[in-house]
Parts: sequence; structure tokens; C-alpha cells
Amino acid sequence: SQTIHQWPATLVQPVGSPLSLECTVEGTSNPNLYWYRQAAGRGLQLLFYSVGIGQISSEVPQNLSASRPQDRQFILSSKKLLLSDSGFYLCACVTGSFPYGYTFGSGTRLTVV
Amino acid sequence: AQKITQTQPGMFVQEKEAVTLDCTYDTSDPSYGLFWYKQPSSGEMIFLIYQGSYDQQNATEGRYSLNFQKARKSANLVISASQLGDSAMYFCAIRGTGANNLFFGTGTRLTVIP
Repeated sequence: SQTIHQWPATLVQPVGSPLSLECTVEGTSNPNLYWYRQAAGRGLQLLFYSVGIGQISSEVPQNLSASRPQDRQFILSSKKLLLSDSGFYLCACVTGSFPYGYTFGSGTRLTVV
Repeated sequence: AQKITQTQPGMFVQEKEAVTLDCTYDTSDPSYGLFWYKQPSSGEMIFLIYQGSYDQQNATEGRYSLNFQKARKSANLVISASQLGDSAMYFCAIRGTGANNLFFGTGTRLTVIP
């Protein structure tokens, strides 16, 4: 079964600072990978997904970007954070067995101050 | 396109009672899958139960069951014998034919009262 490692768990960053969140996957190869954001008490917003190395699809225009430099590594970045970037960020991959839902990482709680 | 609607932002249930969390969906795909996830205050997402659109029986997993009404496009989660540990956010999600992406609803916050 897959395991997703996501770090850091908590992050407080000033407005205008850069961001780099990393997600790595164990137990599978060539997974579909996803970045979601969850505002406080709200639902999951799909930000990016990737079906392979260097292949990134963006769902929502914003000042965030994603990269997939290796098969099992997915990175979420920003050059200059905004207050509205605060939230809970979750990385996910499709599970390798039926019913092929998602396995999620433990999340990063980002507060932009 | 897929869409999930969860109309209950918050629900309360007495411990040991049953509770139903509503989920309606919209899709043009003839084949699809419906998922329920639990998110405790820690933030992790826990897979609970799955229902395939062609499954004849309603899915059950321990105290969780899914009341699937295809004609009404609803897939309500029923939790029996609620426990304090059931207090969490619950998300309904749908995946369409040939797709890997899940589309989530806005969630329902369940609070179990002792």
C-alpha cells in the first residue's frame, strides 16, 4: 500500500515570502498526484494534479505553482505568498488497488501573516 | 463534469444513535464511483466506504452504510451507533468514467454529543 510523506506539518510565513511544500510517495510507481487546499472549515479545492514527471495540470489560477521533478515527488511552490494562501494543504495519490480512491498525506497547515 | 452537493454544513447526534449525512451528485457518466471520507480534527483524510454506480447492493463497512438511490442521484452515509470518535468532517466524493480525479463536496461537520 502507498504511503505519502508530506512536510512540514505546520508553517507560518510572512506575506511576500516564498513557499515550498514537498510530498513524496512510497509503495507505488508512476502515481497520479494531487495538491488540494482546504480553507478553515471548508471543502477541498483541487489546485494541481500530475499524471507523470514534468506533467502538471492547474485547476485554479493563482500565485501557486507545482512541479514534479521525480516520479514520486510533488512540490508546491510560491514566489510570494498572499494572506489568502493560508490554509491546509493536502497531497494525495490514487491508491493502487480497488476502488482506486485517494491516499492522502497528513497535510501542511500554512498560516500567512 | 462531476458535482457533489452536501447541504448540511453541520449535524449533531446523540451518542449511540444513528445519523444520516446527505450527499447528492450530478454526472453525465454512465459509470461512476462514490466515496466517503472522514477528516478528524488532526486533518488526515480517512477512506470510509465506496459505492459503484452498477453495484446492486448498498455498500456497508462496519457501522457505516451507504444509502444509494441512483434515480435520485443520492448517496447518503449512515453511521449507526454513533461514538464520540465519530465527531469529524465528512466528505462525499465522485469519480467518473475513465478518470482518476475525485470531486469533493463541501463537507458536513458531525458532532457527537455524549
